[in-house]
Amino acid sequence: DAKTTQPPSMDCAEGRAANLPCNHSTISGNEYVYWYRQIHSQGPQYIIHGLKNNETNEMASLIITEDRKSSTLILPHATLRDTAVYYCIVRVGDDKIIFGKGTRLHILP
Amino acid sequence: DAGITQSPRHKVTETGTPVTLRCHQTENHRYMYWYRQDPGHGLRLIHYSYGVKDTDKGEVSDGYSVSRSKTEDFLLTLESATSSQTSVYFCAISLGSGPYNEQFFGPGTRLTVL
Repeated sequence: DAKTTQPPSMDCAEGRAANLPCNHSTISGNEYVYWYRQIHSQGPQYIIHGLKNNETNEMASLIITEDRKSSTLILPHATLRDTAVYYCIVRVGDDKIIFGKGTRLHILP
Repeated sequence: DAGITQSPRHKVTETGTPVTLRCHQTENHRYMYWYRQDPGHGLRLIHYSYGVKDTDKGEVSDGYSVSRSKTEDFLLTLESATSSQTSVYFCAISLGSGPYNEQFFGPGTRLTVL
């Protein structure tokens, strides 16, 4: 079973920041938080990962709470091309990825 | 895309026939994975490989076998295809090794078993 809980769907206006929450209350100390997204009919795409500290790359920012029981993926300026299913995953090393059902993000024009 | 290709991209076959899907990578990554994706189930791991001739089962391995005779190719075989194996199949590779590394996915193979 997936170790994470995400809302099934969210809407965001184009140009606004999209904030996608994820709960992972049973995360263990050596597990990383990863985010992937899947645009319709394509393979999942890696976005970002983190352990304790907040992370930022060219695609997104990842905010992890101090107790590590939840995190938020932030897409700073959402565009229509960001419409996708977003998966939050916790794993360590080369462990298999267990995908949950993710959050279906709709970007509204 | 980490140099991952899958073949064929689409296949229609009949129940009871053998089917082999191929995943090819060009960058000598050690870990390779096969997933299937079905509506309502998300992605589920079928088999994975951690080196040449080293493979292990995932969560939905029944009815599937794999082989990895060289680093760049990971083959998924359905010995006798059934309609329940109609799905989209994704191959993935892990970059590097250690406590963290991201997986990159191929474009997928859409398989229909009639």
